[in-house]
Amino acid sequence: QKEVEQNSGPLSVPEGAIASLNCTYSDRVSQSFFWYRQYSGKSPELIMSIYSNGDKEDGRFTAQLNKASQYVSLLIRDSQPSDSATYLCAVTRAGTALIFGKGTTLSVSS
Amino acid sequence: DAGVIQSPRHEVTEMGQEVTLRCKPISGHNSLFWYRQTMMRGLELLIYFNNNVPIDDSGMPEDRFSAKMPNASFSTLKIQPSEPRDSAVYFCASTVVGGTEAFFGQGTRLTVV
Repeated sequence: QKEVEQNSGPLSVPEGAIASLNCTYSDRVSQSFFWYRQYSGKSPELIMSIYSNGDKEDGRFTAQLNKASQYVSLLIRDSQPSDSATYLCAVTRAGTALIFGKGTTLSVSS
Repeated sequence: DAGVIQSPRHEVTEMGQEVTLRCKPISGHNSLFWYRQTMMRGLELLIYFNNNVPIDDSGMPEDRFSAKMPNASFSTLKIQPSEPRDSAVYFCASTVVGGTEAFFGQGTRLTVV
């Protein structure tokens, strides 16, 4: 059974701090890795994708992938109250569906 | 681009009734997914289609659930008969087969009383 595990949180950080979100997955042949953000009552929206080992940066967001350890992380620098949401980790291989973790709730206090 | 369109947005029904949820994927997308989200179980894959063909329905919880995709621009998820434990938010998402980004509809919040 393919599984994606995340700490449910809540993860609380002060405004301006770095938020670190983590995810592990069980399917070793997973090829694509995603972070979705979901505000309360809304649908998930993609914020980062990563396909190879290492870091990928996009603005205040950095995704990190370590396939040997089956580990994906998301760093949010200079966290803002508007970043308060649930962050969903998702993995897939070509032609198959995204499998999601249960999500980590992030709360950024001003 | 109108995005993935789901209807209805909210549905309240009585136990035992049939419920039909609808989804129109993004034009040009040929892969469609149905997910169910609850607090306890998170976002679960129910079924997905590639080129209108069901590929994996192992997530469909029971025979009460069925899904169809008669053409590239329309899919339905039906629950018959509905039960209170089916109460959840049901999301439809679409992408290109082999594509990397799945786009989600706004979801249907189903309440079975």
